[in-house]
Amino acid sequence: GENVEQHPSTLSVQEGDSAVIKCTYSDSASNYFPWYKQELGKRPQLIIDIRSNVGEKKDQRIAVTLNKTAKHFSLHITETQPEDSAVYFCAARMNRDDKIIFGKGTRLHILP
Amino acid sequence: NAGVTQTPKFQVLKTGQSMTLQCAQDMNHEYMSWYRQDPGMGLRLIHYSVGAGITDQGEVPNGYNVSRSTTEDFPLRLLSAAPSQTSVYFCASSAGNSGNTIYFGEGSWLTVV
Repeated sequence: GENVEQHPSTLSVQEGDSAVIKCTYSDSASNYFPWYKQELGKRPQLIIDIRSNVGEKKDQRIAVTLNKTAKHFSLHITETQPEDSAVYFCAARMNRDDKIIFGKGTRLHILP
Repeated sequence: NAGVTQTPKFQVLKTGQSMTLQCAQDMNHEYMSWYRQDPGMGLRLIHYSVGAGITDQGEVPNGYNVSRSTTEDFPLRLLSAAPSQTSVYFCASSAGNSGNTIYFGEGSWLTVV
């Protein structure tokens, strides 16, 4: 069935270092790939997204890359800060039926 | 503009009881969906709708019903609550199928005892 796999499930990085979270998707026709950040007890909030006709997108310290051939996309956070500690989810919109499927999430810890 | 509004925020049910989680959005969004969030399982799609009068099943639809009689509302019904349905439920909406931002409600914490 359609699915999105996300790795790693937990990631710890020193403050100031970079963090990378990777996702793969099964539906080659997927056309939209958002990333969400969720703080404890809060709702998920969109931080960046990318469409299938673009290979890379940046927004300040956050970037997303997409490899359609390999069916994977990645979130890159540079110069990490304590407030980056949260759970991050990737997702993919299935083109066939518009379903939006999420990965299982990555808990990011920024170490002082 | 309130965005996506979910009620109730917290609920305790007894096994076998039924209830409805309400979801409303005031952004005239076509696409609405319900997810449940469990530790280590991420956000799993229960049901979704691409417009009024249209609903479809997601990844984990068993034990839940939905309807979409208006563009604004998308209630989720638990037919006979089970402890396995203890979870946090999120309603979400977006403008359509062109990759628009998905907005989440604040979540509903449901405990079934």
